This record gives sequence, C-alpha cells and structure tokens, in this order.
Amino acid sequence: DIEMTQSPSSLSASVGDRVIFTCRTSQNIGNHLNWYQQKPGKAPNLLIHAASILESGVPSRFSGSGSGTDFTLTISSLQPEDFATYYCQQSDSTPPTFGQGTKVEVK
Amino acid sequence: QLQLQESGPGLVKPSETLSLTCTVSGGSINTNNYYWGWIRQPPGKGLEWIGSVYYTGGTYDNPSLKSRLTISIDTSKNQFSLKLSSVTAADTAIYYCTREVAGTTVHYWGQGALVTVSS
Repeated sequence: DIEMTQSPSSLSASVGDRVIFTCRTSQNIGNHLNWYQQKPGKAPNLLIHAASILESGVPSRFSGSGSGTDFTLTISSLQPEDFATYYCQQSDSTPPTFGQGTKVEVK
Repeated sequence: QLQLQESGPGLVKPSETLSLTCTVSGGSINTNNYYWGWIRQPPGKGLEWIGSVYYTGGTYDNPSLKSRLTISIDTSKNQFSLKLSSVTAADTAIYYCTREVAGTTVHYWGQGALVTVSS
C-alpha cells in the first residue's frame, strides 16, 4: 500500500491567516492526489481532486499543488468555517489510502 | 441531489458478522462510471477504504480485509451492502457508504453509521 504522511498533524491559526498543509507519499503517484475536509460529526467533503482541481462550490481561497510525491494544500485567508481536519488521499492505486489528517484549530 | 444512507445494527458481538446496507436516493445505482463503496473511521482516528462494488457486481476490496469482506449490490432496491465477518474491537468505527470513481476519488458520502463491537 502507498503510505501517506501529512504535516503538521495539527496547527493553530487565526482568521485571515494563510495556511499551508503538506502531504508526502511513499511512491510517485503523479497528480493522483485528493484533499478532503472533515468537520466534527460530519462525513468528509471532497475539496480538490487531481492535486489541483477545485471541486464545484469550493471557495477559491483553497488551492492545491504538487506532483510525484510532494503535495500542498493552501488556504489563502482562513475563514471561521475552515476550522476542520484535512485529509489527503492517493487515488493512483488500490487500495486508495489516506493521510492521518491535519487538524486546524483556533489560535 | 444524490443521497446515501447507511442502516444496520449499531452493536455487534466479537466474532460475529457486521452487516450494513446503504440506500441510494436521488439517482440510480445502476449507472456506468461509478462504484459504490465503504470507508470506515475509528472514533477520533483517520480514514480507511474498505472496498467498493460496481452495478454489475464486480468489486474492489482492500487486501487487508479481503478474507472477511463481502460487498454486494441490489440494483432492484437501489441498495448495496457490506458484510464483515469475525469482527473484533478493532472493527469499531463509523462506517460511511460512498460513491466513488473505481476505487479512487470519493464524491458522495453517507452521514455515517457508528458500529461498536462489544460483548
């Protein structure tokens, strides 16, 4: 299975901050990388697929980049509704695997 | 709007079989291009992909669970199901049913069903 490593595991930030998460994979996956947001008590929600393609309805403050083994998710200006846990997932090979998540908390 | 809803027992005894059903509304399960799957999340922990099924009955399974896993589909009822045998406490989790692109990207999720394995 492809191993996924997200960093940091948690971070404290304030509204308006620019926030960057990283995801590293144990092997080259091209651009087959997705990002999900999960709020407490809710199912995850797909934000970005193919490393950089924003899902319909996702605010433009979210952006993704990277290829190969190193990927980033950036929130350009953190909003109150963005405090959540973010997971990366590789979709290059079965089984698809997830990172352990990055939790964004209020500073 | 496509909706998925899990149903089944919330408590299962160790060594028994966990059974869940997902009912799909707002769209047909009998469709090309998409698979219907299951993902679980132990309380407070990360996500694990379990497997998925196509409308023809073909499946993708997580090798770590394959020996205990059965995923099936009933297109007449617009439902698909998960059976996981010989459960232990490690199988305690929130189980989500999903619509995905062939073992890859998950676009739709159910609300999740907590299943606890305990005697």
